[in-house]
Amino acid sequence: AQKVTQAQTEISVVEKEDVTLDCVYETRDTTYYLFWYKQPPSGELVFLIRRNSFDEQNEISGRYSWNFQKSTSSFNFTITASQVVDSAVYFCALLTDSNYQLIWGAGTKLIIKP
Amino acid sequence: NAGVTQTPKFQVLKTGQSMTLQCAQDMNHNSMYWYRQDPGMGLRLIYYSASEGTTDKGEVPNGYNVSRLNKREFSLRLESAAPSQTSVYFCASKVGGYSYNEQFFGPGTRLTVL
Repeated sequence: AQKVTQAQTEISVVEKEDVTLDCVYETRDTTYYLFWYKQPPSGELVFLIRRNSFDEQNEISGRYSWNFQKSTSSFNFTITASQVVDSAVYFCALLTDSNYQLIWGAGTKLIIKP
Repeated sequence: NAGVTQTPKFQVLKTGQSMTLQCAQDMNHNSMYWYRQDPGMGLRLIYYSASEGTTDKGEVPNGYNVSRLNKREFSLRLESAAPSQTSVYFCASKVGGYSYNEQFFGPGTRLTVL
């Protein structure tokens, strides 16, 4: 079975705090990709990152960083020095070569208080 | 480039009415998708089209039909709307058919069925 679990339904932090969003996935496929999308209050879905199963290097983009660990089947997302504009729902998704369709987590709502 | 566009943005229907949601992309993408998003459930795939001339069912196809009119356009039809179809509908597209590329999303259509 293929599944993505985002156990944190909602997280609330004060601006400038660091925050980590968890994503745990399940798949038996050896080749797969993991994605993060952001959905701000305006409603659109914005692609953030794609990572393939053969590349466990951490990724950093400005205040955003991603930690991929195959040993724990996790692809966690950290925002450093959070800002109010980071408030959004964040989705983690999995794509495998079983059917090339995205399998979505339920999302984590992140609230950044000023 | 407009990216992925959807019409209408909002719609209210009565039970039993029909309507078509329109989606178009100007990125020359092969694949197009229709999702629905319900609170706390992430995105669920309704139908997809890996290339012009082909369509396939996703996770929740019942009550819907689709048409891949040409490479740019992919419409979703509700023949007899039901309150359970109240949701936000997203269209997406991506480069390639069965590939690992990221999907790009339209702004969504918020549909209410009374």
